[in-house]
Amino acid sequence: QQQVKQSPQSLIVQKGGIPIINCAYENTAFDYFPWYQQFPGKGPALLIAIRPDVSEKKEGRFTISFNKSAKQFSLHIMDSQPGDSATYFCAATPISSNTGKLIFGQGTTLQVKP
Amino acid sequence: ETGVTQSPTHLIKTRGQQVTLRCSSQSGHNTVSWYQQALGQGPQFIFQYYREEENGRGNFPPRFSGLQFPNYSSELNVNALELDDSALYLCASSLEGLADNEQFFGPGTRLTVL
Repeated sequence: QQQVKQSPQSLIVQKGGIPIINCAYENTAFDYFPWYQQFPGKGPALLIAIRPDVSEKKEGRFTISFNKSAKQFSLHIMDSQPGDSATYFCAATPISSNTGKLIFGQGTTLQVKP
Repeated sequence: ETGVTQSPTHLIKTRGQQVTLRCSSQSGHNTVSWYQQALGQGPQFIFQYYREEENGRGNFPPRFSGLQFPNYSSELNVNALELDDSALYLCASSLEGLADNEQFFGPGTRLTVL
């Protein structure tokens, strides 16, 4: 029940393409879903986050879609650029826990070809 | 504003030894979380310290312990090192230990156990 399952494991797109990364969870207590971006040699950095009271959130070229009934959420990167090449992690946590314990997915390595 | 820093960057130990990793939180943050990231995996929550007290723990044995100091910096101690402890150890700082407050990650300490 504590798992967050992420797919695909890796993804290659051409510049301008729209990579989509999917995550699924089982624990209905989860109510905060952030996405993190990690470059080699760096720690993860928050990209965008969503709560289950909305079905979509956009920040710049990054969009999260959320399907509460299916317990799934996904990240779309519009007009992808070579600089977006990184590893992306979805995560989830129950806000009520007040522990900041993020449950991360396995990660998706994205390569955007010029 | 200084970001999250961690020391050392890399560390090599042998099985059975003990190790101490250090983390300085971002200015103004009173909460530090520690994560273990095995190669090719997402980070796994070890524990969180909020105002010098442990505030939540993941599924790690007691040989993983920590401290938080009055200046909110933190240490992670691992006793009786095992080969499987080889990983990138990340610390993240945030405000007030709330689950939906952004966690700012440091670059990590790469621990290799031989």
